[in-house]
Amino acid sequence: EVQLLESGGGLVQPGGSLRLSCAASGFTFSSYAMSWVRQAPGKGLEWVSAISGSGGSTYYADSVKGRFTISRDNSKNTLYLQMNSLRAEDTAVYYCAKPLMTTVINDAFDIWGQGTMVTVSS
Amino acid sequence: EIVMTQSPATLSVSPGERATLSCRASQSVSSNLAWYQQKPGQAPRLLIYGASTRATGIPARFSGSGSGTEFTLTISSLQSEDFAVYYCQQYNNWPPATFGQGTKVEIK
Repeated sequence: EVQLLESGGGLVQPGGSLRLSCAASGFTFSSYAMSWVRQAPGKGLEWVSAISGSGGSTYYADSVKGRFTISRDNSKNTLYLQMNSLRAEDTAVYYCAKPLMTTVINDAFDIWGQGTMVTVSS
Repeated sequence: EIVMTQSPATLSVSPGERATLSCRASQSVSSNLAWYQQKPGQAPRLLIYGASTRATGIPARFSGSGSGTEFTLTISSLQSEDFAVYYCQQYNNWPPATFGQGTKVEIK
């Protein structure tokens, strides 16, 4: 079964840091680009960041550029999101998401994790 | 950045009736358009990709149409489990992938 399992969320003060992880199973992880998508409480979906299968190319939303870093460890089938200089507006459920097709970074997302909640508050 | 606009914000429908949801892109996205269903406390679920192709396991009562800037998701006969929020997403002009603000389908 194809699965994504996020972890690492929690409560952090403004200006703080947090690292999210997404453990993948049931598919050839290294063949797929991966993305992070977030959803603020009661709001819609916002794409945050993506990384190519090799990890050589990364992409960010303007709202997180310079503060967040996406990475992956294909030997561990794990995706990461390092979040620094966190702001109240970063409060959201963070999902990792897998695209439909291999080798395609811009695609629909057919598999989503259950999400991990990040709360930025003093 | 392409802006996706969904209408209506809320759709009240009786079980068994047809629901028609709209999604408009601020510029052409060809057929690179997906629809998702999200229920409270759950992750989004892919329904439609390529504007009109049903994802694996999605019932035939869900259908998608359109290309360019105008898209429609139709649920032919609403079942109780279909009451949820629906999002469209373009993946043509990327990054960023952009989502609509959602349409809530509620019981009338």
